[in-house]
Amino acid sequence: AQTVTQSQPEMSVQEAETVTLSCTYDTSESDYYLFWYKQPPSRQMILVIRQEAYKQQNATENRFSVNFQKAAKSFSLKISDSQLGDAAMYFCASINTGTASKLTFGTGTRLQVTL
Amino acid sequence: NAGVTQTPKFRILKIGQSMTLQCAQDMNHNYMYWYRQDPGMGLKLIYYSVGAGITDKGEVPNGYNVSRSTTEDFPLRLELAAPSQTSVYFCASRSAGTFDGYTFGSGTRLTVV
Repeated sequence: AQTVTQSQPEMSVQEAETVTLSCTYDTSESDYYLFWYKQPPSRQMILVIRQEAYKQQNATENRFSVNFQKAAKSFSLKISDSQLGDAAMYFCASINTGTASKLTFGTGTRLQVTL
Repeated sequence: NAGVTQTPKFRILKIGQSMTLQCAQDMNHNYMYWYRQDPGMGLKLIYYSVGAGITDKGEVPNGYNVSRSTTEDFPLRLELAAPSQTSVYFCASRSAGTFDGYTFGSGTRLTVV
């Protein structure tokens, strides 16, 4: 079974600054994917970034990047040049590559962006 | 493409009532999922389906039922609603063999009073 742990219920960052959200996971599988989802007040689940476990290179999407430490089972999200629109709940999630595999989510981190 | 469509967006039920949350996707995705999100929590899997006619339980299936008669539709049935089922419900889908992440519906906020 997979587990995903987010130990920061809330984080705050000033506009234009950088913030890092933490995530650790546990899985017995060797092939899996990791995700960060953003959930703004509209409730919509928006995929921010994806990391394939077999790739050593950290994924990057514009201002969003990850620090993937496979041995430590750590998958943190860095948001650079934070914007007011980044304020949301952020969920870390993992999925194995088996046929009937399912996304497992962490409990989320609420990010506030201040002026 | 509409993606994943959930109806209704909001609903208030009385204890003991029943209802069906509708979910439809137009992407020809094999896999569909139902999650619930309690306040301040992550999403927990209720049921999932890997194709028409095939469903299986997730982490929190008690009090719910599903069916998958077509590839497109995956309704979630609540029988004898209880206050513990007050939550936001998300339907999601993905294509078999791909791991680009799920496509989510916009959610249904259900309150049981």
